[in-house]
Amino acid sequence: QVRLQESGPGLVKPSETLSLTCTVSGASISSYSWGWIRQSPGKGLEWIAYINHGGSTSYNPSLKSRVTMSRDTPENQFSLKLSSVTAADTAVYYCARRGCGDSLCFDIWGRGTLVTVSS
Amino acid sequence: ELVLTQSPGTLSLSPGERVTLSCRASQSVSGTFLAWYQQKSGQPPRLLIYDTSSRAAGIPDRFSGSGSGTDFTLTISRLEPEDFAVYYCQQYVSSTWTFGQGTKVEIK
Repeated sequence: QVRLQESGPGLVKPSETLSLTCTVSGASISSYSWGWIRQSPGKGLEWIAYINHGGSTSYNPSLKSRVTMSRDTPENQFSLKLSSVTAADTAVYYCARRGCGDSLCFDIWGRGTLVTVSS
Repeated sequence: ELVLTQSPGTLSLSPGERVTLSCRASQSVSGTFLAWYQQKSGQPPRLLIYDTSSRAAGIPDRFSGSGSGTDFTLTISRLEPEDFAVYYCQQYVSSTWTFGQGTKVEIK
């Protein structure tokens, strides 16, 4: 059974860098593609970043200048860095697997981690 | 930039009723990449439908999806108590994933 677990600081100061890691069990990260999605309190879902099985990345254009996604294949983890954060970046951050065969949807999600941006 | 507009914002229904949720795209999109998710309070989204009409693993057949071009629909044939939740559509265009703003299905 594939499981994803987000980890990282729950509180980040404004202007600093948010760093999160997603640890995958039950599947090799090099065999799939993966994404980060966030959800601000009481709001909808916003896609942040994506890394394919070959290691190529794509980012939400509205966040692109501040986002970096990478992977650590030996550790079976992938990570997200979001720089220069503000209160608007307060959200639950989810990591997810792009499954569904050739389709481009996210079939398995982590439980999410709440990151609050505050001094 | 693709925008997905879901309607209505909220639906108040009773168990046993039939539900039809709408997702309209601001430009014509490929049905191959249209998906629907269900989210309950405090939980991550759960994939229901992908490729417009394919049910994800373990999803009951009371959930069905249809549509093409700019108009897509999620139908729940008969609402069960566990179906009261928020539903999101999602599309992929030009290396970008976009979600609709969600439709809440609440108990009447």
